Amino acid sequence: ETGVTQSPTHLIKTRGQQVTLRCSSQSGHNTVSWYQQALGQGPQFIFQYYREEENGRGNFPPRFSGLQFPNYSSELNVNALELDDSALYLCASSLGRNGELFFGEGSRLTVL
Amino acid sequence: AQSVTQLGSHVSVSEGALVLLRCNYSSSVPPYLFWYVQYPNQGLQLLLKYTTGATLVKGINGFEAEFKKSETSFHLTKPSAHMSDAAEYFCAVMRGGDSSYKLIFGSGTRLLVRP
Repeated sequence: ETGVTQSPTHLIKTRGQQVTLRCSSQSGHNTVSWYQQALGQGPQFIFQYYREEENGRGNFPPRFSGLQFPNYSSELNVNALELDDSALYLCASSLGRNGELFFGEGSRLTVL
Repeated sequence: AQSVTQLGSHVSVSEGALVLLRCNYSSSVPPYLFWYVQYPNQGLQLLLKYTTGATLVKGINGFEAEFKKSETSFHLTKPSAHMSDAAEYFCAVMRGGDSSYKLIFGSGTRLLVRP
């Protein structure tokens, strides 16, 4: 059984640029959630996708957007990057909207 | 609104000693409560969870936690610390009956285990 995989693992961008992070969900899982973990803090919920539709969103501006594909993989897009966007971005998949979350190892984004 | 408070950003214990990591929550309705562990450069792994039923919950790696409604607490314990327990631990809450599995995390406690 393949777990949750994320890419890239590390990346560096400059302010104003755009970034796309990718997540492959665990086999059989149809729901993907994204979390932002700033240094020294707990993860914060960005949004969740269930069967290709957004199902809940945290307190993040519209420049944070996402997609879920028919194979249930997902992308997180962030436009107009700001320094405060530097963080570890975690993807978690689950079977159903209320299923147990299984986390990937994250993508660490540094914005200079 | 729900929130989670973890007392102590760092906890240091000797190998073999009791581990106690504190978590208090605020929730207007009965919560679902979780403990996750994060090892360096890794994602989060579920240690244990409380949803309903028995208030003493046993998890992986010898950890357990007790839900105390009167104290709004969900402290994590392990009788004897092992060097491999050194990691960051996060307490989280999700309101029961929510339509999506959105977790609200505390700020974490880093456990250091001294030889």
